[in-house]
Parts: sequence; C-alpha cells; structure tokens
Amino acid sequence: KAGVTQTPRYLIKTRGQQVTLSCSPISGHRSVSWYQQTPGQGLQFLFEYFSETQRNKGNFPGRFSGRQFSNSRSEMNVSTLELGDSALYLCASSFYEQETQYFGPGTRLLVL
Amino acid sequence: QKEVEQNSGPLSVPEGAIASLNCTYSDRGSQSFFWYRQYSGKSPELIMSIYSNGDKEDGRFTAQLNKASQYVSLLIRDSQPSDSATYLCAVKGGYNKLIFGAGTRLAVHP
Repeated sequence: KAGVTQTPRYLIKTRGQQVTLSCSPISGHRSVSWYQQTPGQGLQFLFEYFSETQRNKGNFPGRFSGRQFSNSRSEMNVSTLELGDSALYLCASSFYEQETQYFGPGTRLLVL
Repeated sequence: QKEVEQNSGPLSVPEGAIASLNCTYSDRGSQSFFWYRQYSGKSPELIMSIYSNGDKEDGRFTAQLNKASQYVSLLIRDSQPSDSATYLCAVKGGYNKLIFGAGTRLAVHP
C-alpha cells in the first residue's frame, strides 16, 4: 500500500500571501489529521477531518483552515502568512475508528 | 504544566546498551499512548502503541505503561547507531488528536 503523500514538499512564500497544502491518505483511511512542527513549539495539532467533517481543532488562529473531499484527500490553507508560520506541516491518516496515525513526509514551508 | 513531558536529552548510550526513554502525561483519563521515532529532516514514524498497563514488546523495543503514575516509557535493547533519532511520546486526546511531548534526542555511539 502506498503511504501518505503530501504536496508540495517544499514551499517558499512571502508574508501576507496564502498557501494551500495537499494530503492524500493511505488508501482506505478516512481520517486525516494535520500538525505543525517548529523547533520552538514542537509538534502541534491543527485539525482533524473524517468523512469531510472537521471533528477536532487545535489552538490555532482562524487563518488556518482545512477541508476534506469525498475521496478523503485533504487540503489545509493558511491565509495572510506570517514569518512564524514557517514550519514543517505534517499530515497523518488513520483507518476508521483505529487510532494509529501514519504520517506523510511533510511540507516544509518557509515564509520570508 | 505541559500535557506531555519528556526529557529533551540528548541521551547518549554506547552501542549494544539499553536506552531508556521516559514520558509523563497530565490527563489521568488518557487511554492511548504512542511512541514515534523521527530522524532529522524526516517525518515521525510509529514505533509502538500501548493501551493497557504493563509491558508490550516488539523486537528490540519494549513500551511500558503505568496509568496510576501517568508514566510511559520506551526501552530499546541492543541499541544501534541507526537508532540515533528523536523519540516522540504522544497521548491521544479527542478525535485523532495526538498530543506530543517535545521529544528526547537519542545518540548511540559506537
């Protein structure tokens, strides 16, 4: 089975721009969670989607949003980028009602 | 108090030794616990999950859970240089939300 895929792998943006990141879960997995990893804050939960519904949200500003499509693929969007948004954004998928999450390779975002 | 706490390390052990990694958590109601390994520049990969008090073994890895003490540990036997990485302890909180510790850097030297 193919693993979780994320695109793009690397991204450079400037302050004020917006960005959209994509995640394709493992085939059959319906839950997709997003995380932000920075050296200062570590790995932090952004949100989780299951069957196109956001079921859980972390403590991030409204500039961070996401969605999930009927094929379980998910996107997250960050608007009005700030320097502090520079991070590794990780997507993880899990099978329905199973708790083990498998991570994708991540998208490394640099905001200049 | 942080929700999940780990010693940041680095923890340095000689090749062939046992590495012991520890984690404490604050939510007494937590039921699911995970250990992930993360190599520099890579994404986390799952090593083990544990849900019941006691030990769970998988190859060279043993996870230990003590819910009364709110403590999770990971033992790595016969440590190899390839085990050098950051080990992340995670506790499930809500719908597929993992709460991670800051991670412990492990260095295995020949």
